Amino acid sequence: DAKTTQPPSMDCAEGRAANLPCNHSTISGNEYVYWYRQIHSQGPQYIIHGLKNNETNEMASLIITEDRKSSTLILPHATLRDTAVYYCIAQGAGNQFYFGTGTSLTVIP
Amino acid sequence: GAVVSQHPSRVICKSGTSVKIECRSLDFQATTMFWYRQFPKQSLMLMATSNEGSKATYEQGVEKDKFLINHASLTLSTLTVTSAHPEDSSFYICSANLRGDYGYTFGSGTRLTVV
Repeated sequence: DAKTTQPPSMDCAEGRAANLPCNHSTISGNEYVYWYRQIHSQGPQYIIHGLKNNETNEMASLIITEDRKSSTLILPHATLRDTAVYYCIAQGAGNQFYFGTGTSLTVIP
Repeated sequence: GAVVSQHPSRVICKSGTSVKIECRSLDFQATTMFWYRQFPKQSLMLMATSNEGSKATYEQGVEKDKFLINHASLTLSTLTVTSAHPEDSSFYICSANLRGDYGYTFGSGTRLTVV
């Protein structure tokens, strides 16, 4: 399964868009990119996933580059409740998720 | 949406005893469930893949005799930490494989403290 690389931490002003990058340069053609977030002492929460097309739902947008080697999760209007650790995961054929270190996002009032 | 219920949410046990953690899929059938462990300020580490009706598949370095996994039905998987020691204190999380718009659904986790 492809490994993912994310910046360890980011800050974002409340109300502004939060753009969280993820590098997955070794991803293969059948591996989906998933994004989850984890608020302290809770289980991870699903945000969005995609294969090669950009995706949008009520929580976020996912932009995947044409070569699929990187992606960006966009939270359009960050709120204080979006403060969490965000994980980008490349899911392989075995269906397992191997979590990387994630990005700790802090939304600042 | 799909819900995975994990119980208990917290447990404190004495060193040398065994603890069982349950993971239930409430409104869907899960042929596969996953168990993770998370130490403070670290990421989730996959421990094992639990398959209904067959033996679990353990990740390298995870002791199968210490972490017993049973997936006897399509809605229930259990993780038993046998002869627990203080170093087993951790946050244990399960997830279930549900295809479709829900992605993978995670339980709320179990905080195990061994004293």
